[in-house]
Amino acid sequence: EVQLVESGGGLVQPGGSLRLSCAASGLTMSDYRMHWVRQAPGKGLVWVSRINSDGSYPNYADSVKGRFTISRDNAKNTVDLQMNSLRAEDTAVYFCARDPAGTGTEYYFESWGQGTLVTVSS
Amino acid sequence: SYELTQSPSVSVSPGQTARITCSGDALPKQYAYWYQQKSGQAPVLVIYKDTERPSGIPARFSGSSSGTTVTLTISGVRAEDEADYYCQSVDSDTTYVVFGGGTKLTVL
Repeated sequence: EVQLVESGGGLVQPGGSLRLSCAASGLTMSDYRMHWVRQAPGKGLVWVSRINSDGSYPNYADSVKGRFTISRDNAKNTVDLQMNSLRAEDTAVYFCARDPAGTGTEYYFESWGQGTLVTVSS
Repeated sequence: SYELTQSPSVSVSPGQTARITCSGDALPKQYAYWYQQKSGQAPVLVIYKDTERPSGIPARFSGSSSGTTVTLTISGVRAEDEADYYCQSVDSDTTYVVFGGGTKLTVL
């Protein structure tokens, strides 16, 4: 069974940093592009970032560009999201999600983790 | 920026057909995808590439496309189908992933 498990969420002050991690089991992560998607409390889904299967072409939503960095370690079957200069509006549940492709221009999410909550507040 | 527009809510009685629509200018050129999200759970892919159904998704879920509108149809709605449904596509200019605002399906 494919499983994605996020960790690293928590309470952080505005301007602070947090590093999220997503660990995969039941699949070879190096075959797939990976994404982060977030959902603010009571709100809809918002795409945050993606990275190709080989670690190339990281891409970011405008709202996080320059503050967040996505990376992956295929040997460890993990993908991380380093979040700096956090703002109150970054408060959300962060999901990692698996794209069925490793590269290419169709982007969607075949499986999702259960999410980790990030709260940015003083 | 590119937007996908969904109606906020749809209500149907059990056994009826629910239709959830999503509109976007680029939908004639880009595929649409649909996700079901039940309260407190992660989303689940129910339709991909406009009309395709992943394995394990009941046949009562179907997708269609016409011009700038895509539709998720749930035939013979069951109480367990009550959830938020999100459409998703890609902004052709930026290649950013875009979600619709979500439609809350209530089973009366």
